[in-house]
Amino acid sequence: GQQLNQSPQSMFIQEGEDVSMNCTSSSIFNTWLWYKQDPGEGPVLLIALYKAGELTSNGRLTAQFGITRKDSFLNISASIPSDVGIYFCAGLPNAGNNRKLIWGLGTSLAVNP
Amino acid sequence: GAVVSQHPSRVICKSGTSVKIECRSLDFQATTMFWYRQFPKQSLMLMATSNEGSKATYEQGVEKDKFLINHASLTLSTLTVTSAHPEDSSFYICSAGSSGDYEQYFGPGTRLTVT
Repeated sequence: GQQLNQSPQSMFIQEGEDVSMNCTSSSIFNTWLWYKQDPGEGPVLLIALYKAGELTSNGRLTAQFGITRKDSFLNISASIPSDVGIYFCAGLPNAGNNRKLIWGLGTSLAVNP
Repeated sequence: GAVVSQHPSRVICKSGTSVKIECRSLDFQATTMFWYRQFPKQSLMLMATSNEGSKATYEQGVEKDKFLINHASLTLSTLTVTSAHPEDSSFYICSAGSSGDYEQYFGPGTRLTVT
């Protein structure tokens, strides 16, 4: 099925560093969602974006809905050890599809204390 | 707000038996619930979408007679894995959304092991 192009696949950073990851699509999306998943747990919604150009923050996290509606990025500032996990982007295409999310393959983040 | 629970969190069953997994929205009415399967180090794979009071819509390649989904109320959906085989062993996660809202909120997942 359709998938989003999410990069990077993995990151290993030092505590305190900033992190950036992004997702791209060949088609237009109406909604972008960013999730974090810890091992053995379900994904937790971090940020939801609904308008092209929208920039939304949630604590140290900031995400933007690209103006072309074909991409989104997530930034994490001043990373801490508990930021470790897998981050997924998910989107809803422009055409109605029963709210079925299209998923990226995830970005695995490791933080060295 | 937007809390989704799943039960059980872990289950081990023998080949040929059936297992039921429950998904509940605790503080909102879930007009739509989704069932996913996730293999290690992979993304989520949608199995089916269920709307309250109607039949589930299964994704291509998912056997509806094997993975029975019931969404009888606005707070409860169940997934029953029938005649389980070892290859059904996986991490099953449900999510829920309410009408007029495109966000999905996930349960903590159920680890199924079929021996």
